[in-house]
Amino acid sequence: QKEVEQNSGPLSVPEGAIASLNCTYSDRGSQSFFWYRQYSGKSPELIMFIYSNGDKEDGRFTAQLNKASQYVSLLIRDSQPSDSATYLCAVTLESKSTFGDGTTLTVKP
Amino acid sequence: SAVISQKPSRDICQRGTSLTIQCQVDSQVTMMFWYRQQPGQSLTLIATANQGSEATYESGFVIDKFPISRPNLTFSTLTVSNMSPEDSSIYLCSAYGTGELFFGEGSRLTVL
Repeated sequence: QKEVEQNSGPLSVPEGAIASLNCTYSDRGSQSFFWYRQYSGKSPELIMFIYSNGDKEDGRFTAQLNKASQYVSLLIRDSQPSDSATYLCAVTLESKSTFGDGTTLTVKP
Repeated sequence: SAVISQKPSRDICQRGTSLTIQCQVDSQVTMMFWYRQQPGQSLTLIATANQGSEATYESGFVIDKFPISRPNLTFSTLTVSNMSPEDSSIYLCSAYGTGELFFGEGSRLTVL
């Protein structure tokens, strides 16, 4: 079992729809959880981080964390073509981050 | 947030040679890391660069192949030694600060 697993994708949604990205992790001691966006040929950029159970909203993005289920998700509302990228889930324990394989999202105009 | 500068941004190297990648952070950070991202894949942690002591390597990575230096809290280098085509990858420097992991722009290495 991989330490961090993401829905394999690719995921395609129409412009204006909600995109849902999911991630599960195996280490119950994981402390913090991050979502990065990576455009082709670029380095990852941080979108959201979450530490506590529940939801965290930032603009069109909502991160959801359920530590009991070892599950973290990212919702993108009103998806735009510029959101088309690979989204990486990262799980951190004692400052060391483990990344999932990523989910590629395409938002079609 | 931290700004991380890496150089070179890309290079083409011959098999058997070595290349050193430099990473400069604009502020002092406690933790610095080196990741590798092979084509079409996610990020894999190579090692934690420890200031003033030997780096801590992850399983599958060894010091002889990937020597790392970190002389102070803002600078680190990664050397890819005796390169083979399998080392063609993007190498990313990262720094952990204020609860977030920041990345440099990466160094794209092609080994012929």
